[in-house]
Amino acid sequence: DAGVTQSPTHLIKTRGQQVTLRCSPKSGHDTVSWYQQALGQGPQFIFQYYEEEERQRGNFPDRFSGHQFPNYSSELNVNALLLGDSALYLCASSLGTGHGNTIYFGEGSWLTVV
Amino acid sequence: QKEVEQNSGPLSVPEGAIASLNCTYSDRGSQSFFWYRQYSGKSPELIMFIYSNGDKEDGRFTAQLNKASQYVSLLIRDSQPSDSATYLCAVNNDMRFGAGTRLTVKP
Repeated sequence: DAGVTQSPTHLIKTRGQQVTLRCSPKSGHDTVSWYQQALGQGPQFIFQYYEEEERQRGNFPDRFSGHQFPNYSSELNVNALLLGDSALYLCASSLGTGHGNTIYFGEGSWLTVV
Repeated sequence: QKEVEQNSGPLSVPEGAIASLNCTYSDRGSQSFFWYRQYSGKSPELIMFIYSNGDKEDGRFTAQLNKASQYVSLLIRDSQPSDSATYLCAVNNDMRFGAGTRLTVKP
């Protein structure tokens, strides 16, 4: 049973550049959520995708955008990168969007902006 | 602003002791509560979830929920050095996380 997979695992970008992170959900899951975790902080909710639409969004600027594909995989795009965007980006998947649905995390993508 | 608060720690307990981790939340309408463990450099992994007031036990772990007081706690019995990690409390489907409590279990 494949778990949540993310790519790339590590990457370094320059300020002002754009980055795309990818996620494949756990087998059988149809909902993908993205989180940003800075060092020493808890994960911060960016947004959630279900049925190829953004269903919920946290307090992140429009520079953060996403997409979900028909096979439930997802991408997170960040434009005009800032130094403060350096963080671990976590993808999580679940079955449905109900309040009690357990989410499972991938291993994350470490982004460093220099 | 819906907040989830945890003591950042570090919390240090001797091996074999009970570790008690606490979490409070501001949104009285919250319905589901989760505890995750995160080892350094790794992603969070689910320990357990709780929806109803009272206690829920799973092995050495017990989650306690008190909706009236808006807190949820995690007890770890017979703590082991391998339990040393950051413990994250999360609330509801959008998984609003606390900052986490760093636990160290000393041999």
